[in-house]
Amino acid sequence: DIVMTQTPLSLSVTPGQPASISCKSSQSLLYSDGKTYIFWYLQKPGQPPQLLIYEVSNRISGVPDRFGGSGSGTDFTLQISRVEAEDVGIYYCMQGLKLPITFGQGTRLEIK
Amino acid sequence: EVQLLQSGEGLVQPGGSLRLSCTASGFTFSNYDMTWVRQAPGKGLEWVSGITVIGGNTYYADSVKGRFTISRDNSKNTLYLHMNSLRAEDTALYYCAKRSTYSTGWFNSDYWGRGTLVTVSS
Repeated sequence: DIVMTQTPLSLSVTPGQPASISCKSSQSLLYSDGKTYIFWYLQKPGQPPQLLIYEVSNRISGVPDRFGGSGSGTDFTLQISRVEAEDVGIYYCMQGLKLPITFGQGTRLEIK
Repeated sequence: EVQLLQSGEGLVQPGGSLRLSCTASGFTFSNYDMTWVRQAPGKGLEWVSGITVIGGNTYYADSVKGRFTISRDNSKNTLYLHMNSLRAEDTALYYCAKRSTYSTGWFNSDYWGRGTLVTVSS
C-alpha cells in the first residue's frame, strides 16, 4: 500500500498568517497519463470531509484562492496564504493512484 | 442539489451483521462510481470499499475483504454496505461518497453523506 505521511500533525496559526502542510508519499503518484493523483480534503468539526484540491494544484469550484497546492512525485504541499477562522479543521492528503486509496494521518489546524 | 442520505446506524455484537444504505439524489446515480470511507472515533479516514459503474466492479480494503460486501441498486439510487462478522475494530462512522467529476483518480469524492455510526460491542 502507498503510505501517506503528513507533517505537522497540528498547526496553530494567527488569522491572516500563512500555513503550510506537507504530505509525502511512499512512491511516486505520477501516472503514465501525466497526471499526479494526489488530493486534499478538509474535515471541518462535525462534518464529513470536503474535497479542496485535486491532482496537486487544482482547486474545486468554490474553494477560495487562498488555498493552493504544489509538489511533484512524492512530495506535496498544501498552502493557505492567509488563514481565516473558517479554515479550522483537519486536513487530509489522499492518493488516488492505486488501490487501496490511502490517506495521510491528518493535520489539525487551529486558530490562535 | 446533490444529497447522500445514509441509514442503518446500529449497535451490534461482535460476530454480528449490519447493512448500511446510502440513497442518492440530485445527480444520475447510475453514472458514478461510489465508495465507503470510515472514521473510527477520534481517528483519521480509512477507505473501506468502492464500486464502479462500468462492470459494477467491487474493491475492498484488506481489513474488510471477505466480510463486507458493497452493492448498488441503480433503480433505487441506493448504495449498500453489507457487513458480516463484525469486530470491535469495525466501530466507526461510515461515510458514503460519490466519485468526483474532477479527476479520474481512484474514488476521489466530491460529495459525502453525513455518516452512519456503527458500534460493535458486547
